[in-house]
Amino acid sequence: GQNIDQPTEMTATEGAIVQINCTYQTSGFNGLFWYQQHAGEAPTFLSYNVLDGLEEKGRFSSFLSRSKGYSYLLLKELQMKDSASYLCAAYQTGANNLFFGTGTRLTVIP
Amino acid sequence: NAGVTQTPKFRVLKTGQSMTLLCAQDMNHEYMYWYRQDPGMGLRLIHYSVGEGTTAKGEVPDGYNVSRLKKQNFLLGLESAAPSQTSVYFCASRAGPAKNIQYFGAGTRLSVL
Repeated sequence: GQNIDQPTEMTATEGAIVQINCTYQTSGFNGLFWYQQHAGEAPTFLSYNVLDGLEEKGRFSSFLSRSKGYSYLLLKELQMKDSASYLCAAYQTGANNLFFGTGTRLTVIP
Repeated sequence: NAGVTQTPKFRVLKTGQSMTLLCAQDMNHEYMYWYRQDPGMGLRLIHYSVGEGTTAKGEVPDGYNVSRLKKQNFLLGLESAAPSQTSVYFCASRAGPAKNIQYFGAGTRLSVL
């Protein structure tokens, strides 16, 4: 079976740093994705971790620990446009598919 | 760059009506997917295809059918719509087995009354 957990909502202040956590239990796990989804729009790819460690991409970083079944997305220097839902998804080898969490709705306030 | 295009963007159906949602991608991707997204439930896979002429069931396939007659197109059909199928439907594509990133279309908002 598949189980992916992430907080439902978070609020952070413009210019600050926020960390969105994701825990997963996925058989045949082979990678963890993060997508951003603005209200009423399509999910867009942010990051992909296969190996343990931190991947940095501009203001966004993603971390993976395969042994702990844990990932986080770190957003630095928050901007108002970062208000969106952030979807954690686990890739399962053989299933040819991603299994998504319910998403974390981030609200950035002035 | 069109990417993944879904038509229509919005649709209202009456219970029992049928319709087809079209997904087209211009990236020459092998794999295509149909998801539905409901409040509090995240994206759930309906059906997917790993190549022209092939389809497979996902997590929630009941009440839906699909076809992949051409590599660039993936059609999702509702034969007899039910209110439980009110949702936002997303199509996605992926290059192939060695490339795991999925690219999504803008979605179709479907209401079944």
